[in-house]
Amino acid sequence: GAVVSQHPSWVICKSGTSVKIECRSLDFQATTMFWYRQFPKQSLMLMATSNEGSKATYEQGVEKDKFLINHASLTLSTLTVTSAHPEDSSFYICSARDPGQGGREQYFGPGTRLTVT
Amino acid sequence: QKEVEQNSGPLSVPEGAIASLNCTYSDRGSQSFFWYRQYSGKSPELIMFIYSNGDKEDGRFTAQLNKASQYVSLLIRDSQPSDSATYLCAVFTSYGKLTFGQGTILTVHP
Repeated sequence: GAVVSQHPSWVICKSGTSVKIECRSLDFQATTMFWYRQFPKQSLMLMATSNEGSKATYEQGVEKDKFLINHASLTLSTLTVTSAHPEDSSFYICSARDPGQGGREQYFGPGTRLTVT
Repeated sequence: QKEVEQNSGPLSVPEGAIASLNCTYSDRGSQSFFWYRQYSGKSPELIMFIYSNGDKEDGRFTAQLNKASQYVSLLIRDSQPSDSATYLCAVFTSYGKLTFGQGTILTVHP
């Protein structure tokens, strides 16, 4: 399957600061990437769909000014959590579909665990 | 009604038994169906996908799809303790989104 990486794997930051998370497709080009958030013992919640060269599409209830998404190239999407607060502490996971394999299977990165103190 | 429903479990089976995981979905226009395995603290790993009615086998895993009943299942044969994880059913809906169920916790005990 396609390989998706994320960096960092975990981060601790102070309340009010911003944190950037990178998502890369390593062996394919991804015109679309997805950002999810997962709280403990809950399922994945889609936050936004990241489109290369255009604005991201955010799900209802997700603040686009707080969660900035940039998809500047076919292999890199970034999520910046601005002015982070303790309630933003969560497991953030990106994913992508490999168009070369039909584009229906969606592969996940290893995730980034964010803790805001 | 949730778009994708799974029994949250936990489902406990003895080592060597068959584990049966079930999932129903509400969008009749859905075309693609996936099973992910998620270990605690890790991200989901795609283990099976199925697009046509019937069975699809891959090693110890068999996915079953019945679009008329809007039902998809995953069978794990010869279950091993290493299969203990949360299994997420995901459906690619007709409006273009991959929607996940709540997940079923599977425990395989020696």
